[in-house]
Amino acid sequence: DIVMTQTPLSLSVTPGQPASISCKSSQSLLHSGGTTFLSWYLQRPGQTPQLLIFELSKRSSGVPDRFSGSGSGTDFTLKISRVEAEDVGVYYCMQTTQVPPTFGQGTKVEIK
Amino acid sequence: EVQLVESGGGLVQPGGSLSLSCAASGFTFGDHWMTWLRQVPGKGLEWVANINADGGEKNYVDSVKGRFSISRDNAKNSMFLQMNSPRPEDTAVYYCVTGRFSHGYWGKGTTVTVSS
Repeated sequence: DIVMTQTPLSLSVTPGQPASISCKSSQSLLHSGGTTFLSWYLQRPGQTPQLLIFELSKRSSGVPDRFSGSGSGTDFTLKISRVEAEDVGVYYCMQTTQVPPTFGQGTKVEIK
Repeated sequence: EVQLVESGGGLVQPGGSLSLSCAASGFTFGDHWMTWLRQVPGKGLEWVANINADGGEKNYVDSVKGRFSISRDNAKNSMFLQMNSPRPEDTAVYYCVTGRFSHGYWGKGTTVTVSS
């Protein structure tokens, strides 16, 4: 199985400042068809997770453009250009290139 | 509006059985892969199983292979997870979600507790 490793596991950010979460996979996530099936989810406190980014860098409908995904191969990053209070929660990366799909451990983001 | 509503969770004894259902609406259910994910409260997310649009292709995480069975009824816009011989480590909130490669819509989840 592909192991997904997120860093840091927790992050405290001042509103308006940028934030970055790293996700590394134990194998390349580049699918034979040329797509990298790496997605990012945010689980706000007490809520169901929501899709932020899919296929490495595509924002899901309604997701603010302050969220961006990047990377290649085995190294990936979620960036928040200017953190807002509503961005608190746990962020998960997930690979669906290979079965079984696997998640990172999660990164808890809080506001200073 | 897309809606996914899970049901069937509850308390089950180890070695027993439980059947989860997911009722879908607001989209063309029969055109989409569907997936079950689970989450131990306070812990991370785990992929459990998925099924293709016509039900002919199914995949499972190793820990549930041979015990759980995923299925769907496109005429009833529903997906199911039959849990046989559940173990205490299967205790979690089970989410019904759309998609194979990304999961844009989630149900609110149904809680399964495996305990004697």
